[in-house]
Formats: sequence, C-alpha cells, structure tokens
Amino acid sequence: NAGVTQTPKFRVLKTGQSMTLLCAQDMNHEYMYWYRQDPGMGLRLIHYSVGEGTTAKGEVPDGYNVSRLKKQNFLLGLESAAPSQTSVYFCASSRTGMKDEQFFGPGTRLTVL
Amino acid sequence: AQSVTQLGSHVSVSEGALVLLRCNYSSSVPPYLFWYVQYPNQGLQLLLKYTSAATLVKGINGFEAEFKKSETSFHLTKPSAHMSDAAEYFCAVYIRGGSNYKLTFGKGTLLTVNP
Repeated sequence: NAGVTQTPKFRVLKTGQSMTLLCAQDMNHEYMYWYRQDPGMGLRLIHYSVGEGTTAKGEVPDGYNVSRLKKQNFLLGLESAAPSQTSVYFCASSRTGMKDEQFFGPGTRLTVL
Repeated sequence: AQSVTQLGSHVSVSEGALVLLRCNYSSSVPPYLFWYVQYPNQGLQLLLKYTSAATLVKGINGFEAEFKKSETSFHLTKPSAHMSDAAEYFCAVYIRGGSNYKLTFGKGTLLTVNP
C-alpha cells in the first residue's frame, strides 16, 4: 500500500505559467482534499471532492481548479501561477468524510518566481 | 471568527519533561477534535481523535488529550518527552461553519526537544 502519493515533489514556475499537481490514493477513499501550507497559517483547504466526478470549493479556491475523473486521482491545476501561490501543497484522503482520519501525501513544494 | 486556537507557536522542552500543547475551540456543541503531527519534510499523520466516546483520548507514541467542555479545550500531553517527538503539531476541529460542517486546522505548534 503506497497510501497517498503526490507528483511532483518540487517545482519552480515563472509567473503566468501553468501546471498540474497529481494526487493518487490506493485506499479506495471517497473523499479527497487539496491543502496549502504557509508558515504561521496552518493548513488551508483549497478544494475537495466527495466522490468520483465531484468537486467543491474550500476556504481558498481562487486561482486553482481541480478534477476528479477517477476515484483514485485528484488533480490540482494552476492556470496562471502567481508568486502568492508559492507554498507547500498537500493532498489528503479520507474514507467517508471530514469527520474521518485524513491520510496525507508527502507534499509538493512549489515556488513561483 | 476563528474556530480553533493553538496557544504558543513554539514550545521548547527538555528530554524527559512533560509536554503540554494547548488547543481551544469555539463551538456551542461538542465537535469532533483531532491532533495531527507533522515531522520535518513529511505530510501530517493522525495522533488521536475525540468523538465523544470518552473525554480522555489516548493516541500513538504515548500522547493523550483530554476534552474539557467547560473550558472548550483539547490540550495534548505526554508525560516524558523524547527527542523523536520534535515536530509540528496541529489541532483540528470539525464543526458547523455557516450552513456547512467543515474541518479547520489550527496554525500549529512547533515542539523542540532539548537534550
């Protein structure tokens, strides 16, 4: 069991470039989440999904889009990166909802110049 | 309004000393409460979870937390700190926010353990 994996681990972008972060889980979890972690801010929810084909906005969704075409994958897209999106991004999954334990991936460190 | 507050962004203890990390929440009904730990350059992992079954919750690695409704607190403790406990600790609360329920993380407390 790999758990939750994230690709890539590191990325440097220039302002205005686009990219997609990939999250995969092998635990057959219904719920998946994307967070960003910034110093002194804790974790903030960007978007989440309650099942295949569904997505919903979290606390800080602006500038990001997501897709959940397959149950095991949750993609986070940045269409036009901005320096304010420099952060560490974590994907997580849980079995049935936000009350359940969330399993986190190792994170993606993104720098936007 | 902030729904979860962690007092102290940085706590430093000596090896073998008591660890106390504080978490307070704001909710009129008992919420679900969590403590997660993040080791350097890793994702978060669950330490323990309160679901109203018992007020004293035991977690992994010798940690425990006590739910105190009158104080709206869920402080994390460990009797004797070990060097391997050095990490960042996050309290999280699942409560009603507006028309929805949501999980909110505190800003985190960095624990340093000195030899």
